Amino acid sequence: AQSVAQPEDQVNVAEGNPLTVKCTYSVSGNPYLFWYVQYPNRGLQFLLKYITGDNLVKGSYGFEAEFNKSQTSFHLKKPSALVSDSALYFCGQTGGGNKLTFGTGTQLKVEL
Amino acid sequence: EAGVTQFPSHSVIEKGQTVTLRCDPISGHDNLYWYRRVMGKEIKFLLHFVKESKQDESGMPNNRFLAERTGGTYSTLKVQPAELEDSGVYFCASSQDNRNSPLHFGNGTRLTVT
Repeated sequence: AQSVAQPEDQVNVAEGNPLTVKCTYSVSGNPYLFWYVQYPNRGLQFLLKYITGDNLVKGSYGFEAEFNKSQTSFHLKKPSALVSDSALYFCGQTGGGNKLTFGTGTQLKVEL
Repeated sequence: EAGVTQFPSHSVIEKGQTVTLRCDPISGHDNLYWYRRVMGKEIKFLLHFVKESKQDESGMPNNRFLAERTGGTYSTLKVQPAELEDSGVYFCASSQDNRNSPLHFGNGTRLTVT
């Protein structure tokens, strides 16, 4: 069975600093990997996905993620964090289709 | 375009009662999904409709849960009778296809069973 691990329940970063939210996935064929963000009292919003091609994927709001096959990781990154980036971030995996296996989520807190 | 809407936003019921959640997908989206997040845990897949047909219901916890999508438009998810462990946030999502296109999620229904 597929599984996704987000090892950090919370990540704190100062505004203007780079941020990383970690995600590792289980190996199951060719993984399709996703990041979604949830703002308070809202549904999940799509940020970016990796299907194939370049290992560095660029997404919405200046976020990017790097697919690393040897480490089975798909960490989410942003060069300069904003207070408005504070939200709950979910990593997801699918072997095809939209039946996603999600991680437990990482709360990102960006402070002034 | 209007997004995915879910009703109600919150529901508090007693153990043994029945609750029905509703989801209106984005117009034209044939694919509709239900997911659930129990407090602090991962978001888990429940089931997938293509139009009015259940494509995959492998994530449904047990037979106390019944999902329908009559006419291939809105969907309902009924829990009868509710148990304490059913508490959580129920998300509905829709997409144009089932080929890794982004999911559009509703704001969720927070269900509390007391």
